[in-house]
Amino acid sequence: DAGVIQSPRHEVTEMGQEVTLRCKPISGHNSLFWYRQTMMRGLELLIYFNNNVPIDDSGMPEDRFSAKMPNASFSTLKIQPSEPRDSAVYFCASTLAFQVLGYEQYFGPGTRLTVT
Amino acid sequence: QKEVEQNSGPLSVPEGAIASLNCTYSDRGSQSFFWYRQYSGKSPELIMFIYSNGDKEDGRFTAQLNKASQYVSLLIRDSQPSDSATYLCAVVNTGGFKTIFGAGTRLFVKA
Repeated sequence: DAGVIQSPRHEVTEMGQEVTLRCKPISGHNSLFWYRQTMMRGLELLIYFNNNVPIDDSGMPEDRFSAKMPNASFSTLKIQPSEPRDSAVYFCASTLAFQVLGYEQYFGPGTRLTVT
Repeated sequence: QKEVEQNSGPLSVPEGAIASLNCTYSDRGSQSFFWYRQYSGKSPELIMFIYSNGDKEDGRFTAQLNKASQYVSLLIRDSQPSDSATYLCAVVNTGGFKTIFGAGTRLFVKA
């Protein structure tokens, strides 16, 4: 298995531009997570999906952020308009989740976003 | 109070020593606890998970859980320079879906 695939690996954009990050989870996994990591705030959960349905988006910082999962093999995280404070590494992770106990999450390589 | 707290470090230990990493959490109903390792510039990878009170050993790693004290720890025996990384404690909340990560402890193992 190729693991979790994220694209692009690096993104540099100007303030005000739209940014779309993409993620392909591991085949067979039913849950997908988007995280943001910065030195100041660490690894923050933005949103997670179970069976393609958003379960909790309370971590999405503001309305400029949106995420979709149209099918089991693809998800996007969009920032519109982008701001310099959005600069971070964005990770996507997937897992085969069970209801009672937690589970191992498999992380993608991340997208390093720089907004100038 | 943060939901998952860790000392940010850095924790520096000599090669061959035992490294002890600690984590506390606030959600008393939490059921699942994980330790991830993250090398600089890389993504987190799971090294241990524990669900029950007590110790769980896997090679040089031992995870310890005390739910009454809301405390999780990771011991690394015979530390190697290759163990130098940031160690993230993660807790799955009551309900079983949302994972909260601590800020991580940076570990340096000196050769």
